[in-house]
Amino acid sequence: DGGITQSPKYLFRKEGQNVTLSCEQNLNHDAMYWYRQDPGQGLRLIYYSQIVNDFQKGDIAEGYSVSREKKESFPLTVTSAQKNPTAFYLCASSKHRENSPLHFGNGTRLTVT
Amino acid sequence: AQSVTQPDIHITVSEGASLELRCNYSYGATPYLFWYVQSPGQGLQLLLKYFSGDTLVQGIKGFEAEFKRSQSSFNLRKPSVHWSDAAEYFCAVGETSYDKVIFGPGTSLSVIP
Repeated sequence: DGGITQSPKYLFRKEGQNVTLSCEQNLNHDAMYWYRQDPGQGLRLIYYSQIVNDFQKGDIAEGYSVSREKKESFPLTVTSAQKNPTAFYLCASSKHRENSPLHFGNGTRLTVT
Repeated sequence: AQSVTQPDIHITVSEGASLELRCNYSYGATPYLFWYVQSPGQGLQLLLKYFSGDTLVQGIKGFEAEFKRSQSSFNLRKPSVHWSDAAEYFCAVGETSYDKVIFGPGTSLSVIP
């Protein structure tokens, strides 16, 4: 079945370390997104990519970086510059057209201590 | 700037009772509107969407939503709630450029057996 795979589901890191979250999709979607979810704040857009080798900052990109070397993959790196990295991270994808709804992975919960 | 509000942070209903979750948006043009549902620790699943046409849209799991332009609202309804409907519900607005979707803060639904 087609879908989005995020790994790992739980991730623990020490403060000051960079960490990379994986996101792979086999839906043949052009666009991919990273959202951060905190209790009571809904989802906030970190980065998005419409095509391979191109990506744009979302609303809260500071302290994060991404790459889009393959259509299927959109890894997110949480750097040590991110002041409050502990959160639930959701990856999503959509077709390359207006109105296309988002398809979500099951998320990665990152805890930094 | 566009925004989405969900006035109810938490709602509790009895199983079999009707449900209405409120969503209001601020957007200059005709928006693309979505409702998503999230079970604990999971990603989001699309319930329904509105782009144009009939203002009453049907979704999965027996949900429906009505777009009211005059009230800038897109409320989600279900005539009879099941215990399995307990989850977090998010209203979202899409821009005409498809690459940006704004999410509301979410409404947590509890169902009493």
